[in-house]
Amino acid sequence: EAGVTQSPRYAVLQEGQAVSFWCDPISGHDTLYWYQQPRDQGPQLLVYFRDEAVIDNSQLPSDRFSAVRPKGTNSTLKIQSAKQGDTATYLCASSPPGQISNERLFFGHGTKLSVL
Amino acid sequence: GQGVEQPDNLMSVEGTFARVNCTYSTSGFNGLSWYQQREGHAPVFLSYVVLDGLKDSGHFSTFLSRSNGYSYLLLTELQIKDSASYLCAVRMPNYNVLYFGSGTKLTVEP
Repeated sequence: EAGVTQSPRYAVLQEGQAVSFWCDPISGHDTLYWYQQPRDQGPQLLVYFRDEAVIDNSQLPSDRFSAVRPKGTNSTLKIQSAKQGDTATYLCASSPPGQISNERLFFGHGTKLSVL
Repeated sequence: GQGVEQPDNLMSVEGTFARVNCTYSTSGFNGLSWYQQREGHAPVFLSYVVLDGLKDSGHFSTFLSRSNGYSYLLLTELQIKDSASYLCAVRMPNYNVLYFGSGTKLTVEP
């Protein structure tokens, strides 16, 4: 089965520029997560969806970040005006329905963002 | 917030063992997962535990004590290629959300 696909793999921006990250989860996975991972730190949850609905976006900097999953499949994370502090790898993950059968999240390779 | 703590670094010698510690203090708990992450790559699932005790999975074993908010990942017969970061993550009851520690960078020396 195909894994979680993310694009682009890398992005380099100047402060103030906008960028979008795209994620295609594993087919049939209803829950999708976006994590931010600064260098030498663990992944930090930004937002997650069940189907097309946002379940929790309380960790998402709402003034500059937005995330959508309009059809409950692919998702886009957007930064409107990037700051140097946004430099990190952005990981997308998905998980299948059910609380018992799944024990893991499936991660994409991530998008490595550098804001100069 | 959710507190998941790990030491930053750990060094060990090829052929011996390494124990990666994790302590947690979270508002909920539905198990604890361990992931391996190599530089520039996505986290790779290693183990999931929800019951107290030791879970032996061969090269990787995992221990959990829920009353102490403590887990460790034990790697035996270390190889150089085991050098990587090891992430501990607490799984929350709803939607399988994982809260990660900062990771422990394991260096295996010859």
